[in-house]
Amino acid sequence: EIVLTQSPATLSLSPGEGATLSCRASQSVTSYLAWYQQKPGQAPRLLIYDASNRATGIPARFSGRGSGTDFTLTISSLEPEDFAVYYCQQRSNWPFTFGPGTTVDIK
Amino acid sequence: QVQLVESGGGVVQPGRSLRLSCAASGFTFNTYAMHWVRQAPGKGLEWVAIISYDGRNNYYTDSMKGRFTISRDNSKNTLYLQMNSLRVEDTAIYYCVRDGSGSYGGWLDPWGQGTLVTVSS
Repeated sequence: EIVLTQSPATLSLSPGEGATLSCRASQSVTSYLAWYQQKPGQAPRLLIYDASNRATGIPARFSGRGSGTDFTLTISSLEPEDFAVYYCQQRSNWPFTFGPGTTVDIK
Repeated sequence: QVQLVESGGGVVQPGRSLRLSCAASGFTFNTYAMHWVRQAPGKGLEWVAIISYDGRNNYYTDSMKGRFTISRDNSKNTLYLQMNSLRVEDTAIYYCVRDGSGSYGGWLDPWGQGTLVTVSS
C-alpha cells in the first residue's frame, strides 16, 4: 500500500501568518491527492481534491499543489478557525490511505 | 443539503458482531459510491471500505477483509457495515462518507458525524 508521510507533525503559528504543510507519497499518486481539515470533536472536511482543486465553499486562502510524490497545502493567512489537524489522502491505489496528520496550533 | 447519519455503535465484547447503519438524504443515493472511514480515539484516519453505487463492487483495507462487509439498500437510502469477530483494536469512531467524484474511488465528501464503536470485555 502507498504510505503517506506528512511534515511537520506540528506547526505552531500566529493568526495572520502563512502555513505550508507537506505530504509525501511512497510512490507516485499522480494528482490523486486530497486534503482534509479536522477540528476537535468534528468530522473531517474536504478542503482540496486532486491536488489543487478547492472543494465547494472552501476559502481562497487554502491552496494545494504538487504531483507525483510531493504535495503541499498552503494557507496564505491563518484565521482563528484554521487551527486544526490536516490530513492528506491518496486515491491512486487501493487501499486508499491517509497521512498521519499535521497539527496547526496557535503559537 | 446532504446528510449522512450513522447509527448502531456501542460497546461490544471482543469476538462479537455489530452492524452499523448510515441513513443518507439530500442527494440521489443510488448514484453515488459510498465509503466507511474510521478513527481510533486520539489517532489518525483509516479508510475501511468502499461500495459502488449499485452494490456490485467493493474493496476493503486488508486488515478488515473477511471480517467486515459493506453493503447498501438503495430502496432505503442506507449504507451498512457488518463487523464480525471484533477486536479491541477495532475501537474507533466510524464515519460514513460519500464518494465526492460521482464515480468509484473518488475523494471523500461529505462526512457523517460518526458513530463510536467500543470493543471491550
